Amino acid sequence: TQLLEQSPQFLSIQEGENLTVYCNSSSVFSSLQWYRQEPGEGPVLLVTVVTGGEVKKLKRLTFQFGDARKDSSLHITAAQTGDTGLYLCAGAPGATNKLIFGTGTLLAVQP
Amino acid sequence: DTAVSQTPKYLVTQMGNDKSIKCEQNLGHDTMYWYKQDSKKFLKIMFSYNNKELIINETVPNRFSPKSPDKAHLNLHINSLELGDSAVYFCASSPMTSGGVKNIQYFGAGTRLSVL
Repeated sequence: TQLLEQSPQFLSIQEGENLTVYCNSSSVFSSLQWYRQEPGEGPVLLVTVVTGGEVKKLKRLTFQFGDARKDSSLHITAAQTGDTGLYLCAGAPGATNKLIFGTGTLLAVQP
Repeated sequence: DTAVSQTPKYLVTQMGNDKSIKCEQNLGHDTMYWYKQDSKKFLKIMFSYNNKELIINETVPNRFSPKSPDKAHLNLHINSLELGDSAVYFCASSPMTSGGVKNIQYFGAGTRLSVL
């Protein structure tokens, strides 16, 4: 069974701090996506990474796909209260449309 | 206009009842999904349909029966509801049928089901 473990599970920080969320697996994925989910809403895609070692930046968010395409990280610089939410990584195992979602990281940014 | 809409948003019912959740997408996508998110926020796929055809059926009890009357609609009917069915159910759609970079999922806002 393919699993994506995220760490930490919970994170509470002050506005302005930096943080990193990790998404790890023993399986290889053809691509990996990051979603953010706010209370009462469905997940919304932030980014897709495809190539091993790829780094993508989205304003203050930096995403990296591991060289072996088994893991990924999300780094947020100078967190803002609007970054609060549940962050989910999701891996595509291969030539299917199935996504395996990670265990989630609940981020709370305090003002 | 909401891209993926599901109804109802909240559903409170007694054990043993039968209930349905409806989903519609106006994105023109061929593939639709049902996911279950448990109390620990773990999101797991249940079913996927491509152009009205079932293509993914995870290990889900037979009490759950999806139906896709056309590619823009995917409904979920649940028979004989149990306490363990309490969760948030999400509908999603995507533009591609076979994995890859463009397999981006667009989610509805969820249906919070509480079985008493």
